Amino acid sequence: LAKTTQPISMDSYEGQEVNITCSHNNIATNDYITWYQQFPSQGPRFIIQGYKTKVTNEVASLFIPADRKSSTLSLPRVSLSDTAVYYCLVGERKGGFKTIFGAGTRLFVKA
Amino acid sequence: KAGVTQTPRYLIKTRGQQVTLSCSPISGHRSVSWYQQTPGQGLQFLFEYFSETQRNKGNFPGRFSGRQFSNSRSEMNVSTLELGDSALYLCASSSDRTSANYGYTFGSGTRLTVV
Repeated sequence: LAKTTQPISMDSYEGQEVNITCSHNNIATNDYITWYQQFPSQGPRFIIQGYKTKVTNEVASLFIPADRKSSTLSLPRVSLSDTAVYYCLVGERKGGFKTIFGAGTRLFVKA
Repeated sequence: KAGVTQTPRYLIKTRGQQVTLSCSPISGHRSVSWYQQTPGQGLQFLFEYFSETQRNKGNFPGRFSGRQFSNSRSEMNVSTLELGDSALYLCASSSDRTSANYGYTFGSGTRLTVV
């Protein structure tokens, strides 16, 4: 299973764009990159998933360089409600898989 | 559509007792996974079930067990509770049998306190 490394915490201000980078040097060919968001006392919530290049949805963008050894979650114009822990996961989409969550990145959005 | 439902939301048990937690996945989802979350250890994978079979298992002692029923509902059981078992237990379901890591939907969890 590919190990991921993320910053422990980040601070931002409302209205700013936030970029959280995740390193996954030993990502395998069949691995996808998935990001989750978690608020206190709630289960993680799926944000976005990608394999290569760029993926965008209504809440975030995911940038994956050609070597796929890292990925960057981009949150445009954050608000106070985006204060949460963000997890980067790497793994295959196929078959039974022990999804391993790292420590995540605690994002604090200030007014 | 209804999300993942976990019951109960809160539970207080005494050391040595056993506990059963329940999870109802999203309708049509056949994969159910369980996680334990504590401040010190973060989110730790317990096990995953698909079509009533345990497909993956994490590194937890045998006191932790689970099962899945034909309607995909799942239960996990912890016997001989220890203080360290106090945690938020999360259940997640997935729709695609070949995409265990694809778009998990988590429940709100069961907060277990062992005293």
